[in-house]
Amino acid sequence: DGGITQSPKYLFRKEGQNVTLSCEQNLNHDAMYWYRQDPGQGLRLIYYSQIVNDFQKGDIAEGYSVSREKKESFPLTVTSAQKNPTAFYLCASSIVRTTIGGELFFGEGSRLTVL
Amino acid sequence: DAKTTQPPSMDCAEGRAANLPCNHSTISGNEYVYWYRQIHSQGPQYIIHGLKNNETNEMASLIITEDRKSSTLILPHATLRDTAVYYCIVRVAGGYNQGGKLIFGQGTELSVKP
Repeated sequence: DGGITQSPKYLFRKEGQNVTLSCEQNLNHDAMYWYRQDPGQGLRLIYYSQIVNDFQKGDIAEGYSVSREKKESFPLTVTSAQKNPTAFYLCASSIVRTTIGGELFFGEGSRLTVL
Repeated sequence: DAKTTQPPSMDCAEGRAANLPCNHSTISGNEYVYWYRQIHSQGPQYIIHGLKNNETNEMASLIITEDRKSSTLILPHATLRDTAVYYCIVRVAGGYNQGGKLIFGQGTELSVKP
């Protein structure tokens, strides 16, 4: 079945360590996104990419990095520069349309805890 | 993008219709109304979207007022599995390079009770 797969589902890391979250989609979607969610809060956009080898910063990109070397993959690295990395991370994808905004399809999320 | 206002929480009896309101008084003429929901510890799920006409799909109905300043998401026969946070979002059509960013607020936490 088509969908978005995030891994790992749960991740623990020590302060000062970088960690990479995986996001893979087989929906043939052009656009991919990373959101962060804190307890009781809505989603905030970290990075997005509308085409391979191109990506843009969202609202809270500091301390994060991404790459888009393949259409189906959009990994997120949480670096040691991110001050409060403990959060629920969500990856999404969509068809890019010029007239009607394409709905987002989300993965199941990755919960990162910094010890 | 226009801001939306939703009640923080609502209860609904199982089998009854759940009516979730959303105010978007500053919505522009080219902005759509989207609804998503998020079951606890899962990714959000798209429900429905519309511009000015009422819309219905297998999940829900969307009623948009004539002046487009508010809308209501209707789950006709709520079940326990509909317990989730429901997000109302307004955005322009098109991708992010056309200003179509999705902004998720805090949504409405719907509790469906037996």
